[in-house]
Amino acid sequence: EVQLVQSGAEVKKPGESLKISCKGSGYSFTSYWIAWVRQMPGKRLEWMGIIYPGDSDIRYSPSFQGQVTISADKSISTAYLQWSSLKASDTAMYYCARLPSLFGVVQHYFDFWGQGTLVTVSS
Amino acid sequence: QSALTQPASVSGSPGQSITISCTGTSSDVGGYNFVSWYQQDPGKGPKLMIYDVSNRPSGVSNRFSGSKSGNTASLTISGLQAEDEADYYCSSYTSSSTWVFGGGTKLTVL
Repeated sequence: EVQLVQSGAEVKKPGESLKISCKGSGYSFTSYWIAWVRQMPGKRLEWMGIIYPGDSDIRYSPSFQGQVTISADKSISTAYLQWSSLKASDTAMYYCARLPSLFGVVQHYFDFWGQGTLVTVSS
Repeated sequence: QSALTQPASVSGSPGQSITISCTGTSSDVGGYNFVSWYQQDPGKGPKLMIYDVSNRPSGVSNRFSGSKSGNTASLTISGLQAEDEADYYCSSYTSSSTWVFGGGTKLTVL
């Protein structure tokens, strides 16, 4: 069974750093792109970027380039999303999601999602 | 990249059919057959309901169907059931090699 299990909720102060995780299981973690998606309170989903754990190829949304860092450790089947200096506006639920692959060709939708990590940034 | 446009809310009675629209541009919805739909229950992660405009993943009821005409995609739910009450989001791949989501539609089953 494919599963993406995310790290638990975080409460941080502005200016602090943070790294949240997404552990994949039930499939070949290195063969599928993983996306990060933000959902601010009561708002829409926003695509942040994707990473291919096999070679750490990363693509960022222009809206999030320079604001966050996406990485992965394929040895432990885990993808990460990190901030060096959090802002109150980073308060949101963050989801990781898998992009399926068909005959080695990445598909353009998200077939499995993590349960989400709630990040609260408040002084 | 602007968000795709969805109605904020739709409603229907059990057994009825409803359609949720998702309007984009020729750079996203109209340019590719890469529209997908997601169902999100309160406090939970999204669930894939439709991919590539009109394909259903295994396990998703055949009461859910998708279509596209020009720059507008649609999700239709027939034989509405109480369990269908949720938020629904459309998404499209774009000409910038990114993904864009709609603003979400709250479905209420009366």
